Amino acid sequence: DVKVTQSSRYLVKRTGEKVFLECVQDMDHENMFWYRQDPGLGLRLIYFSYDVKMKEKGDIPEGYSVSREKKERFSLILESASTNQTSMYLCASGMEVDSGNTIYFGEGSWLTVV
Amino acid sequence: KNQVEQSPQSLIILEGKNCTLQCNYTVSPFSNLRWYKQDTGRGPVSLTIMTFSENTKSNGRYTATLDADTKQSSLHITASQLSDSASYICVVTETGANNLFFGTGTRLTVIP
Repeated sequence: DVKVTQSSRYLVKRTGEKVFLECVQDMDHENMFWYRQDPGLGLRLIYFSYDVKMKEKGDIPEGYSVSREKKERFSLILESASTNQTSMYLCASGMEVDSGNTIYFGEGSWLTVV
Repeated sequence: KNQVEQSPQSLIILEGKNCTLQCNYTVSPFSNLRWYKQDTGRGPVSLTIMTFSENTKSNGRYTATLDADTKQSSLHITASQLSDSASYICVVTETGANNLFFGTGTRLTVIP
């Protein structure tokens, strides 16, 4: 079974802290994604990566950065957490998106910034 | 503008009944359409993927249909079970891109 593993399920951080969310996939997927999910807004793309060290901004990249040093690992970084970044963060991975391959999601990381 | 709209926003049905969820999209050029099931507090899990040439696809009690001409899809759930209570998300991809366009989901509650 394909696995997308997010290292932290629940985190509580203080305003201004640096936060790392880690995601690891075990299927050699080229593409990896970070989304945030808020009630009534659906999933919004923060960043995606199509290869090691490659990244593209999504719809809401402000306040976030990413790192992909190895193919299986994609990290989301909040340089200085703010309360409006309280949300559920979802990592996903897959092969070519437009060729009908399954995109697999992790279980999500619930971040609360106080 | 590429958009995906789902209806209804929420739905409550009795266990054992059937239901149909709708998805309309404006994504173009269209590549494929996916339905995901998301249990509360969990990540989405893939139910079906349909490309332009497919108009029906089943996964157990879940049957998805696609009309690429009218840009509409539906997800039909047969003989609902309590475990079907979840959000169902429609996701559309455009050709030649890594963009996934998400609907905001339909929240289904199945009651005994």
